[in-house]
Amino acid sequence: NAGVTQTPKFQVLKTGQSMTLQCAQDMNHNSMYWYRQDPGMGLRLIYYSASEGTTDKGEVPNGYNVSRSTTEDFPLRLLSAAPSQTSVYFCASSSTGESNQPQHFGDGTRLSIL
Amino acid sequence: AQTVTQSQPEMSVQEAETVTLSCTYDTSESDYYLFWYKQPPSRQMILVIRQEAYKQQNATENRFSVNFQKAAKSFSLKISDSQLGDAAMYFCACDPIQGAQKLVFGQGTRLTINP
Repeated sequence: NAGVTQTPKFQVLKTGQSMTLQCAQDMNHNSMYWYRQDPGMGLRLIYYSASEGTTDKGEVPNGYNVSRSTTEDFPLRLLSAAPSQTSVYFCASSSTGESNQPQHFGDGTRLSIL
Repeated sequence: AQTVTQSQPEMSVQEAETVTLSCTYDTSESDYYLFWYKQPPSRQMILVIRQEAYKQQNATENRFSVNFQKAAKSFSLKISDSQLGDAAMYFCACDPIQGAQKLVFGQGTRLTINP
């Protein structure tokens, strides 16, 4: 019963490096999401995907890129890491459409940019 | 655009007592859901309770209940018989019922349970 799986759980990068945070879900949900959580703040939406092959920007998309080539996977790419991207990143998935269902969250990835 | 505000950064309660966490929101959607999520130190985001805005009846889940005041755009969470395992960050969130599901979260309230 995996649900939403995020890898890695922790990562340290140097400024300017690029990397991909992986997210996979096994619930056949059509929608997937990436959030970031900064200290003292709630989660903020970076990007989301309502179906395979589609993506849309959320509240804080700058410096990130996503793709949705399969229903199961929704990787988040940091193009050129900056210290301001130090955060905890959460992936989520849900069934949406006629009646939106609650989102299921992964366990998060703690990312530090030096 | 939606906004969610939690005005209590921290709250504490004695074990077995009742505590209420506050949340106000603003949305242009006519139909929407409101949520309370719990985030323990393990960092998981756990759904506590969901309220459908078109329903008058307040949602309840065991020891957790909400006081939903649609006209005032208020959505508070009441935890009865508080237990040590209830200690966590609690986030209020708002989401449209249909279409693109863009959860908007409040800043969170850190709840401490005193034994």
